[in-house]
Amino acid sequence: QQQVKQSPQSLIVQKGGISIINCAYENTAFDYFPWYQQFPGKGPALLIAIRPDVSEKKEGRFTISFNKSAKQFSLHIMDSQPGDSATYFCAASIGRGPGKLIFGQGTTLQVKP
Amino acid sequence: DAGVTQSPTHLIKTRGQQVTLRCSPKSGHDTVSWYQQALGQGPQFIFQYYEEEERQRGNFPDRFSGHQFPNYSSELNVNALLLGDSALYLCASSKASDGYEKLFFGSGTQLSVL
Repeated sequence: QQQVKQSPQSLIVQKGGISIINCAYENTAFDYFPWYQQFPGKGPALLIAIRPDVSEKKEGRFTISFNKSAKQFSLHIMDSQPGDSATYFCAASIGRGPGKLIFGQGTTLQVKP
Repeated sequence: DAGVTQSPTHLIKTRGQQVTLRCSPKSGHDTVSWYQQALGQGPQFIFQYYEEEERQRGNFPDRFSGHQFPNYSSELNVNALLLGDSALYLCASSKASDGYEKLFFGSGTQLSVL
């Protein structure tokens, strides 16, 4: 019940395309869902986050879509750029923190020029 | 303003040895969390320190222990190292009142156990 399952494991997108990464969870007590971006040799950095009282949140080219009934949420990267090439992790927690974040397994995104 | 700093950046140990990893939180932060990130996996929560006490712990054996100092810096100790302890160890800091919106990770310590 503590798992967050992420797919796909890897993704290749052309520059200008849309990248979509999906996550599913089981624990209905989760109420905070962030996405982190990690570049090689660096720690994860918060990209965007959502709470289950809204179905969508947009920040620039990044959008989270949230489906509470399906217990799924996804990250959409519009107009993907080569600089977006990184590993993306979804996560979930109970409360805004501090506490423990449960991370998905990660998706390695490659944006081809 | 320096962010979260971790030392050392890389470390090689042999099975059975003990290791200490160090973390200095971002200025103004009072809470430190430690995560283990195995190759190709997401980070896994080890434990969290606030006010020099372990406040929450993940599913890790007692071989993993920690400490937080009065200046909020923290150490992660791992005893009796196993090959499976090879991973990137990440420290994350935050201010207790800010929540995850202002959670910052360091670049990690890459531990290799031979």
